[in-house]
Amino acid sequence: DSGVTQTPKHLITATGQRVTLRCSPRSGDLSVYWYQQSLDQGLQFLIQYYNGEERAKGNILERFSAQQFPDLHSELNLSSLELGDSALYFCASSARLAGEGEQYFGPGTRLTVT
Amino acid sequence: DAKTTQPPSMDCAEGRAANLPCNHSTISGNEYVYWYRQIHSQGPQYIIHGLKNNETNEMASLIITEDRKSSTLILPHATLRDTAVYYCIVRLNSGGGADGLTFGKGTHLIIQP
Repeated sequence: DSGVTQTPKHLITATGQRVTLRCSPRSGDLSVYWYQQSLDQGLQFLIQYYNGEERAKGNILERFSAQQFPDLHSELNLSSLELGDSALYFCASSARLAGEGEQYFGPGTRLTVT
Repeated sequence: DAKTTQPPSMDCAEGRAANLPCNHSTISGNEYVYWYRQIHSQGPQYIIHGLKNNETNEMASLIITEDRKSSTLILPHATLRDTAVYYCIVRLNSGGGADGLTFGKGTHLIIQP
């Protein structure tokens, strides 16, 4: 158990819809990262927040957005969903701002878009 | 971050040492070598990292060559639960820029009973 929690575990929705994925980092960790893992693209970094502020962006689509709240939990919002957005979405946390590279991953949310 | 090359798959007998190689010939002086693994659709798990010296923790050992162009992750007594995809990642540990991990395709390690 990494100490990072993600909800829901599974999500099934239709194209065009909007969903919100939630992540709670390990106690004391200020950085939260979001990753997407699909069969064709592998594990890809989407976005990072540190103590409520966006710090780094990866391959995140404009239809996707995230935020980190004062209690440090984070939400990833996916809108205008397409079939290709079906994937595993992982959240990770770390204790350091720029990362010593030790990131602790949650169990993921499996999103299925039909 | 420097590019890494890993074999796509490897087998190892249960109880034996599993040695997973990684080439990172373009690594720069301040880039670290990290290893993660992912057990079937679970979240990736941090294993170990190092800069120049060999490192050991309760999970594994990391051997980095003197020229730092390659490294080997060693699982000393592999068990069936070590079957997973192992990722070698090279990255800076200084501030600024994108801080996400860049995962390649990794090595699928299969531990045989």
